[in-house]
Amino acid sequence: DAGVIQSPRHEVTEMGQEVTLRCKPISGHNSLFWYRQTMMRGLELLIYFNNNVPIDDSGMPEDRFSAKMPNASFSTLKIQPSEPRDSAVYFCASSLGGENNEQFFGPGTRLTVL
Amino acid sequence: GNSVTQMEGPVTLSEEAFLTINCTYTATGYPSLFWYVQYPGEGLQLLLKATKADDKGSNKGFEATYRKETTSFHLEKGSVQVSDSAVYFCALTDTGRRALTFGSGTRLQVQP
Repeated sequence: DAGVIQSPRHEVTEMGQEVTLRCKPISGHNSLFWYRQTMMRGLELLIYFNNNVPIDDSGMPEDRFSAKMPNASFSTLKIQPSEPRDSAVYFCASSLGGENNEQFFGPGTRLTVL
Repeated sequence: GNSVTQMEGPVTLSEEAFLTINCTYTATGYPSLFWYVQYPGEGLQLLLKATKADDKGSNKGFEATYRKETTSFHLEKGSVQVSDSAVYFCALTDTGRRALTFGSGTRLQVQP
């Protein structure tokens, strides 16, 4: 199994530009999570989906952030317009579902907004 | 709400030393507890977990026991190796909430 796949691995963009991060979960997993990691705030949940439906988006910072999961094998996190404070590592994780099931993390996308 | 508190790092040890990383939690329901490890430039990997009080999770020589009375889940290893150098995160999921709540992470540096 290839594990959770994220792209791009690194993204450098200028303030005001649109950024799209992509995630392919492990086949058969029905829960998908987006987390953000920063020095100031640590690791925090942005949003998670169950069976392609957003369940908890309370961590999405503001309207500039949006996430979609059009099918079981693909999700996007979009930031428009991007700001320097969005610079962080964004992780996608997937799991089989259920409260105790292990979440498998992708390698992350390191985003730098200049 | 839920929260996880970890000891501040970095923790610097010599090879074969005993390791303890403290973790305490606050949760509103019946949490499951996890330790994740992050090696440089990589995503997080599950190290061990415990789903109910008094359970002991163990993996690769690491252990942690779910202590409900002290709301703790301290990570221990009897003899660390240089290859254990990484950042360790304590985390929980709570009743009805599958997303992980993480502690701030503790960086471990093991010197030869």
